[in-house]
Amino acid sequence: DAGVIQSPRHEVTEMGQEVTLRCKPISGHNSLFWYRQTMMRGLELLIYFNNNVPIDDSGMPEDRFSAKMPNASFSTLKIQPSEPRDSAVYFCASSLGLNTEAFFGQGTRLTVV
Amino acid sequence: GESVGLHLPTLSVQEGDNSIINCAYSNSASDYFIWYKQESGKGPQFIIDIRSNMDKRQGQRVTVLLNKTVKHLSLQIAATQPGDSAVYFCAENLSLGQGGKLIFGQGTELSVKP
Repeated sequence: DAGVIQSPRHEVTEMGQEVTLRCKPISGHNSLFWYRQTMMRGLELLIYFNNNVPIDDSGMPEDRFSAKMPNASFSTLKIQPSEPRDSAVYFCASSLGLNTEAFFGQGTRLTVV
Repeated sequence: GESVGLHLPTLSVQEGDNSIINCAYSNSASDYFIWYKQESGKGPQFIIDIRSNMDKRQGQRVTVLLNKTVKHLSLQIAATQPGDSAVYFCAENLSLGQGGKLIFGQGTELSVKP
């Protein structure tokens, strides 16, 4: 298995633009997590899905952030409009479900200028 | 202006020595715990896990200890090697019926001197 696949690996965009981050979880995994990592706040859980259904989005910073999981093999995290303070590394992770380890992708480094 | 980041705890050890990394978790209802290793430019990588009905678990060169009374986890690395240099995170899993919410601690930076 190729592991969790995220794209793009790097994204540089201008303030105000829409940004879409993509994630392909490990096949067979039914939980998917989106995290944001910054020097200021460490690793923050933004949202997680179980069986394609959003379970907890309390970590999503504001309405500019949205996440979808249209099927078991694909998820997106969208920021619209983007702001410089959104600059961070965004990780997607997947797991087999309750009380199992989550496997992380390589992350997307987002820079908003 | 100058940015202020998290001041990660740092542990510096000599190659060959044993390392102990500590973590305090926050929720007494957490029932599953994981240690992750993150190298520069990479995503966190699973090291070892432990469930709340255990107090110790051993892997290859690593041991995790869980003290639920004081909500404390530790990771012991035997014969630490330069390749162990990384940031180590503990994570607690809070089961919410459907799946689980994996919450990370701030991390500890391990530096191994050759």
